[in-house]
Amino acid sequence: GQNIDQPTEMTATEGAIVQINCTYQTSGFNGLFWYQQHAGEAPTFLSYNVLDGLEEKGRFSSFLSRSKGYSYLLLKELQMKDSASYLCAVTDSNYQLIWGAGTKLIIKP
Amino acid sequence: EAGVVQSPRYKIIEKKQPVAFWCNPISGHNTLYWYLQNLGQGPELLIRYENEEAVDDSQLPKDRFSAERLKGVDSTLKIQPAELGDSAVYLCASSLGREASVETQYFGPGTRLLVL
Repeated sequence: GQNIDQPTEMTATEGAIVQINCTYQTSGFNGLFWYQQHAGEAPTFLSYNVLDGLEEKGRFSSFLSRSKGYSYLLLKELQMKDSASYLCAVTDSNYQLIWGAGTKLIIKP
Repeated sequence: EAGVVQSPRYKIIEKKQPVAFWCNPISGHNTLYWYLQNLGQGPELLIRYENEEAVDDSQLPKDRFSAERLKGVDSTLKIQPAELGDSAVYLCASSLGREASVETQYFGPGTRLLVL
């Protein structure tokens, strides 16, 4: 079966760095997405990785290792507004998007 | 450019009653998705449209759920009759709709349904 695992909840301090991990087992692989979802709001696109390595976009970076079935989202200089759920999603061989359950990130002052 | 529009934002109904949700995708987006999201979970695909054709409805509970996208633009998702377990957020998303390619999906704000 297809499976995506990410931690249920993480806590970090304002100004610090946090890494949210995602491991996946899917039927084929055509890329991995990270979405941010604030409580009561729609998921919004953060990043897309299809090749191995690190993609940096401002305070947020996303890493992919296809051989390990592993990705992480790195958030630097955390701000209170970064408190949200972070969803990992993988596009399989049929171009279907398989979603993880999301990681709830709590930022403390 | 306007994003994905959904209405209503909130809906409270009694069980066994019907309910309908409406979605207008981003202009020019041919692919439209309806998802169900429970608290603390990721979105679960209900149905995917390519223009007016439902190309993936394998996860849609067809005994009570129906959807349509008659002119290939906006779409309606209906539940009749609603059950207590249908309480969730119903998300609509759209993407450009290029065949056999990876596409970013853009989501609407969702409809939060509570069945009493």
